[in-house]
Amino acid sequence: KAGVTQTPRYLIKTRGQQVTLSCSPISGHRSVSWYQQTPGQGLQFLFEYFSETQRNKGNFPGRFSGRQFSNSRSEMNVSTLELGDSALYLCASSVRTGSHEQYFGPGTRLTVT
Amino acid sequence: EDQVTQSPEALRLQEGESSSLNCSYTVSGLRGLFWYRQDPGKGPEFLFTLYSAGEEKEKERLKATLTKKESFLHITAPKPEDSATYLCALQTGANNLFFGTGTRLTVIP
Repeated sequence: KAGVTQTPRYLIKTRGQQVTLSCSPISGHRSVSWYQQTPGQGLQFLFEYFSETQRNKGNFPGRFSGRQFSNSRSEMNVSTLELGDSALYLCASSVRTGSHEQYFGPGTRLTVT
Repeated sequence: EDQVTQSPEALRLQEGESSSLNCSYTVSGLRGLFWYRQDPGKGPEFLFTLYSAGEEKEKERLKATLTKKESFLHITAPKPEDSATYLCALQTGANNLFFGTGTRLTVIP
């Protein structure tokens, strides 16, 4: 069974630009969560999507948004990039929302210059 | 306020030298405690889920235990390939994981 895939794996953007990251969950998984990982803050929850609906949201500004498609694939968008947005963005999928194991993708390394 | 603290931050062990990693927490309504392993440049790899105090899970050289205030990840006779950062995470009333900052384990041959 294929794991969680994320594209692109690496990205360099300039401050003020916007970026879209993509995540394909494990086949049969309907919940997708997004996390930001930085050396200083560790892993922080961004949001979760299940059945194309945002179910939960972390404490991030509105510049961070996401969506989920009918095939459970998800995208995350960051507008007006800031230097502090440089991080590893991880997506995780699980069978359904709730207290279940989440399986992570390899992440997208975003560098903002 | 929900909190999770992992200790130590870093741990160096000789191959074969058993030890334990700690994850202590304060949370209102624990729905699950998860352990993950993360290698450099990769996403976290799921290891265990614990749901209630007294529960234990084992996998190869790893054993996770849970009390009402903390969880331990015991590593028995570690090998160099066990070197990684070990993360614990809580799932509370909301359906997201709240991660600790991890313990960076290095096993020296």
